[in-house]
Amino acid sequence: NAGVMQNPRHLVRRRGQEARLRCSPMKGHSHVYWYRQLPEEGLKFMVYLQKENIIDESGMPKERFSAEFPKEGPSILRIQQVVRGDSAAYFCASSLNYGYTFGSGTRLTVV
Amino acid sequence: ELKVEQNPLFLSMQEGKNYTIYCNYSTTSDRLYWYRQDPGKSLESLFVLLSNGAVKQEGRLMASLDTKARLSTLHITAAVHDLSATYFCAVDSTDTGNQFYFGTGTSLTVIP
Repeated sequence: NAGVMQNPRHLVRRRGQEARLRCSPMKGHSHVYWYRQLPEEGLKFMVYLQKENIIDESGMPKERFSAEFPKEGPSILRIQQVVRGDSAAYFCASSLNYGYTFGSGTRLTVV
Repeated sequence: ELKVEQNPLFLSMQEGKNYTIYCNYSTTSDRLYWYRQDPGKSLESLFVLLSNGAVKQEGRLMASLDTKARLSTLHITAAVHDLSATYFCAVDSTDTGNQFYFGTGTSLTVIP
């Protein structure tokens, strides 16, 4: 079992570009969560998805951010027109019933 | 909004000493999790506490849960340098739609 796979591990984008972060959950897990971690802070919930459905997006900024978990393929967190404040580590986690398994994260740097 | 508070935020301790990290939360929850994070790394699951009075131990770390007091503790016994990391507690419940709420973390440095 490969665990929760995230890619890329590191992503550098210029201001105004788009960032796409990918997450493949653990085999058999149907729940995917995205969290953001700013430097020296804890993790903040962004969005909870199941296959083809957004269950809870209460933590997502209203603009520029979107997430999907298609029937086939990984979950995608998309950030349009990135700004410096988007620089953070973005973690994906998957779950079957309770408890999370985290991916290794994508560290986004906006220059 | 559900709140999870950890203290202390920073902890510097000498090898061989004991200390406790505290985690208070503001909602009714029967599930409490402890994670460890090394710099630049992901979160590693340490303990899952599922009921009042639950106590779990792994090596020099022991975690406990008091759901009535809404308090969990992570006790460190005879600290060693390898325990230096940031420790997070988190809670979830059906009321929160299965999302986790994380504490702010405790950055532990064990000094030789």
